[in-house]
Amino acid sequence: SQTIHQWPATLVQPVGSPLSLECTVEGTSNPNLYWYRQAAGRGLQLLFYSVGIGQISSEVPQNLSASRPQDRQFILSSKKLLLSDSGFYLCAWSVAGFDEQYFGPGTRLTVT
Amino acid sequence: AQKVTQAQTEISVVEKEDVTLDCVYETRDTTYYLFWYKQPPSGELVFLIRRNSFDEQNEISGRYSWNFQKSTSSFNFTITASQVVDSAVYFCALASGGSYIPTFGRGTSLIVHP
Repeated sequence: SQTIHQWPATLVQPVGSPLSLECTVEGTSNPNLYWYRQAAGRGLQLLFYSVGIGQISSEVPQNLSASRPQDRQFILSSKKLLLSDSGFYLCAWSVAGFDEQYFGPGTRLTVT
Repeated sequence: AQKVTQAQTEISVVEKEDVTLDCVYETRDTTYYLFWYKQPPSGELVFLIRRNSFDEQNEISGRYSWNFQKSTSSFNFTITASQVVDSAVYFCALASGGSYIPTFGRGTSLIVHP
């Protein structure tokens, strides 16, 4: 069966510090991968998605970036965090764009 | 462009009541997919159902049922005899267009009181 891992679960970082969140999927090959952010107010904002290794599409211009160095690994990064980057970050995967998504447990990021 | 509207921000019911969560969608495509997800307090979204635009048949799964009506562009979700464990935020989502990247509604928070 497929499993999605995300870490860390919680993170407190000062403004201006770098960020690296990692997501890995097991039990499937060539998944679509997604990074979402959920700020207070509940809405899910799609940040990046990837349909293959090295293929990253950005939905929202900001100081975050994503990379997919391996088929089942998706990394969210920032060189300098802003207060506005605080939120709940969710990684998800799907077989294809029109398939249901399966979400990881999320990372709660607080930028102080 | 695609859009999903969940007009109900929060719904509060007492256990055993039936409750319907509304979802209205907009898309110009004839082929599209609709989804419902549940986000319990733990935070992890859980997939509940997927329907494609060519299948308007209603779906029932235990206490959950879904009513898909293309005529009103709605995909409503009903929980029968609600339970405290149903308390969560529920998201409706739509995937259409060439990439089928889903658009999520803003979610409806359901609170079920014992």
